[in-house]
Amino acid sequence: DGGITQSPKYLFRKEGQNVTLSCEQNLNHDAMYWYRQDPGQGLRLIYYSQIVNDFQKGDIAEGYSVSREKKESFPLTVTSAQKNPTAFYLCASKRELGFGYTFGSGTRLTVV
Amino acid sequence: AQSVTQLGSHVSVSEGALVLLRCNYSSSVPPYLFWYVQYPNQGLQLLLKYTTGATLVKGINGFEAEFKKSETSFHLTKPSAHMSDAAEYFCAVSDTGGSEKLVFGKGTKLTVNP
Repeated sequence: DGGITQSPKYLFRKEGQNVTLSCEQNLNHDAMYWYRQDPGQGLRLIYYSQIVNDFQKGDIAEGYSVSREKKESFPLTVTSAQKNPTAFYLCASKRELGFGYTFGSGTRLTVV
Repeated sequence: AQSVTQLGSHVSVSEGALVLLRCNYSSSVPPYLFWYVQYPNQGLQLLLKYTTGATLVKGINGFEAEFKKSETSFHLTKPSAHMSDAAEYFCAVSDTGGSEKLVFGKGTKLTVNP
């Protein structure tokens, strides 16, 4: 079955470390998105990409970086510049206009 | 800019009772509207969507929502709650432009009491 795979499910980071969250899809979707979820704040857009080798900042891009070298993959790096990285991170992809997003199962990142 | 307001961060109902989760949006262009459900430590699953056409849309698990342009609302309802409906629900709006970024509300956590 087609879908979006996020790994790992749980990730622990030490202060000052960069970590990379994986997002892979086999849905042949062009657009991919990264959201951050904090309790009571809903989902906030970090970065999105509508096509390979192109991506745009979302509302809270500071301290994060992405790449889109392949259609199937959209990894997110949480850098040491992100001061409060503990959160639930969700990756999504979109088929085409009006179809909504398909979400992965998320990665919970905790700073230790 | 688009925005979504979900009235009530927590809603509690008895099993068998009506479920009503409220969503109001603002958008400068005709919107696409979505409801998603999230179970603990999982991703979001699409319940239903409105794009064009019929304003009453039916989704999975017996949920439905009505798009009311005059009220800028897209409330989610289910006639009879089931224990398995306990989850967090998110309303989202997107524009009809090229990027179609989704803007989410802050969510409503639904509790179903036996």
